[in-house]
Amino acid sequence: GAVVSQHPSRVICKSGTSVKIECRSLDFQATTMFWYRQFPKQSLMLMATSNEGSKATYEQGVEKDKFLINHASLTLSTLTVTSAHPEDSSFYICSAESGGTPDTQYFGPGTRLTVL
Amino acid sequence: DAKTTQPPSMDCAEGRAANLPCNHSTISGNEYVYWYRQIHSQGPQYIIHGLKNNETNEMASLIITEDRKSSTLILPHATLRDTAVYYCIVRVANYQLIWGAGTKLIIKP
Repeated sequence: GAVVSQHPSRVICKSGTSVKIECRSLDFQATTMFWYRQFPKQSLMLMATSNEGSKATYEQGVEKDKFLINHASLTLSTLTVTSAHPEDSSFYICSAESGGTPDTQYFGPGTRLTVL
Repeated sequence: DAKTTQPPSMDCAEGRAANLPCNHSTISGNEYVYWYRQIHSQGPQYIIHGLKNNETNEMASLIITEDRKSSTLILPHATLRDTAVYYCIVRVANYQLIWGAGTKLIIKP
């Protein structure tokens, strides 16, 4: 299957700092990428959807100025958590689709963010 | 809200077939059935999907009832590494995935 990578896999930062997470599709071009958040013992919650070269579409309740998403190329999307606070500590997961009907989302390994 | 119902947990003996049920009684004609699994602290892994016909790949088989109101994922020879949470998702082509609670499958030696 298609491979999606994320970097870093784990990050610890101080409250008030910003953290950038990268998501790459390694062996296909991703027309659409997705960012999810998962709290302990809960299911994945979609945060936003991004298409290459367009502004991301955010789900209700997700602050677009806090979670900045850039999808600059067909193989790279970044999520920046600005002015992180302890409540932003979570497991962040990206996924990517290559197009087609029906399309399939392939997921990255996730990034564990801990804000102190 | 998720449109599927799955048992919260199941056990299966190593080497036996694991059969994971999923009810999706309100599925529409243009919605696909997708299965993913998530091993602890990892991103979800795509397993298989189908529309009407049964499907098989190197990981699993998907059996969809004729009325499409339920389906079963079959792992033919379960191993300890198949221990994970399995998610059944119905999805209109290229729309977002909506995640339920899934089934926690525990493979026992």
